[in-house]
Amino acid sequence: GAGVSQTPSNKVTEKGKYVELRCDPISGHTALYWYRQSLGQGPEFLIYFQGTGAADDSGLPNDRFFAVRPEGSVSTLKIQRTERGDSAVYLCASSLRAGANTGELFFGEGSRLTVL
Amino acid sequence: GENVEQHPSTLSVQEGDSAVIKCTYSDSASNYFPWYKQELGKGPQLIIDIRSNVGEKKDQRIAVTLNKTAKHFSLHITETQPEDSAVYFCAAARSGDKLVFGAGTILRVKS
Repeated sequence: GAGVSQTPSNKVTEKGKYVELRCDPISGHTALYWYRQSLGQGPEFLIYFQGTGAADDSGLPNDRFFAVRPEGSVSTLKIQRTERGDSAVYLCASSLRAGANTGELFFGEGSRLTVL
Repeated sequence: GENVEQHPSTLSVQEGDSAVIKCTYSDSASNYFPWYKQELGKGPQLIIDIRSNVGEKKDQRIAVTLNKTAKHFSLHITETQPEDSAVYFCAAARSGDKLVFGAGTILRVKS
């Protein structure tokens, strides 16, 4: 597709369960970002990848959150032992590069996670 | 780290009027300041950006101004239209670093 694709668009789970959220970036974009957006708030940075490696994971709230990008394209955000406070929209964005000049981020439509 | 504050949180204007949204940032090393528009159920989309080597940039009805000394920047939308109604986010970043977003402004354009 032409844009950033995120699946699932909606996920309802029970407290304590494990969740995976997938992001398929724009082809050729080497930088990939995960943000979390709570209702009425701006996107909050979680982690970004340059290629396969996590260049900055300082936004991950705790060790229940983990993300991978094994082949430098698709990324998966993994949340263990989900808590009600994890409920939010998880946004993925890709960029042509992260480097000397931060450039335009292209966002997907997000995965809405609801933890009951 | 960087902290971005945005105001107002909501803004209602009459169609055809101008709208101004303001942001302040804390990190004097930030040099990239984009504005994103988010419609309901969609991801944010870039509408205009400015780098710290210029003070103003304009694109049709949209303009952004930057005051590096005061560490604030503003979005100006002229001749507002109903389709401008959305949530607008400012953001700031150092070179090659992550974007830090403001809390957003809900803009309502009344026809």
